[in-house]
Amino acid sequence: GDSVTQMEGPVTLSEEAFLTINCTYTATGYPSLFWYVQYPGEGLQLLLKATKADDKGSNKGFEATYRKETTSFHLEKGSVQVSDSAVYFCALRITGANSKLTFGKGITLSVRP
Amino acid sequence: NAGVTQTPKFQVLKTGQSMTLQCAQDMNHEYMSWYRQDPGMGLRLIHYSVGAGITDQGEVPNGYNVSRSTTEDFPLRLLSAAPSQTSVYFCASSAIWTGGNTEAFFGQGTRLTVV
Repeated sequence: GDSVTQMEGPVTLSEEAFLTINCTYTATGYPSLFWYVQYPGEGLQLLLKATKADDKGSNKGFEATYRKETTSFHLEKGSVQVSDSAVYFCALRITGANSKLTFGKGITLSVRP
Repeated sequence: NAGVTQTPKFQVLKTGQSMTLQCAQDMNHEYMSWYRQDPGMGLRLIHYSVGAGITDQGEVPNGYNVSRSTTEDFPLRLLSAAPSQTSVYFCASSAIWTGGNTEAFFGQGTRLTVV
């Protein structure tokens, strides 16, 4: 079946540090890949996405590149801010009318001033 | 722009009680789903629907029922609450997946405690 594996957390960084959150996947078909973010007390919201190999998704300074050869979609940001403190979820979805979002376990990021 | 609306935001139940978590969306999305979020487990799919009158089971359906009588509403029913159902529940909706721009929109969540 389809699955998403995220690196273990939590992650604590100082403001302006470089961020990498690893995400790898296994899929029975050709997936689209997503990063969702959950701020404290809120629901999930889409951060960025990529729908085919070598696509780069980007938003709010975050980037992730769809690497089919390594089945990865690592999230990066060059300089984190305190306001980036949240839970980050990697997810995939296979094309098709009944396709479901499959999530990783999520990782909590805390950014210190 | 209401998006996806879940009610209630918080609920405490006694073991054996029943209740319905409400979910409504105003984006005319065909696809709706329910997830539960537990520490260290990520989000797990409970039930989903691809349109009015059509529902199917997800990864963890036991103890939950759903129905989809309209495009807008997708309630989740707990028939006899158990402490193992203590969790945060999220409803999500999206257009039917075509491989393109099909972002899923999430509600604010319902924090349920079963004592």
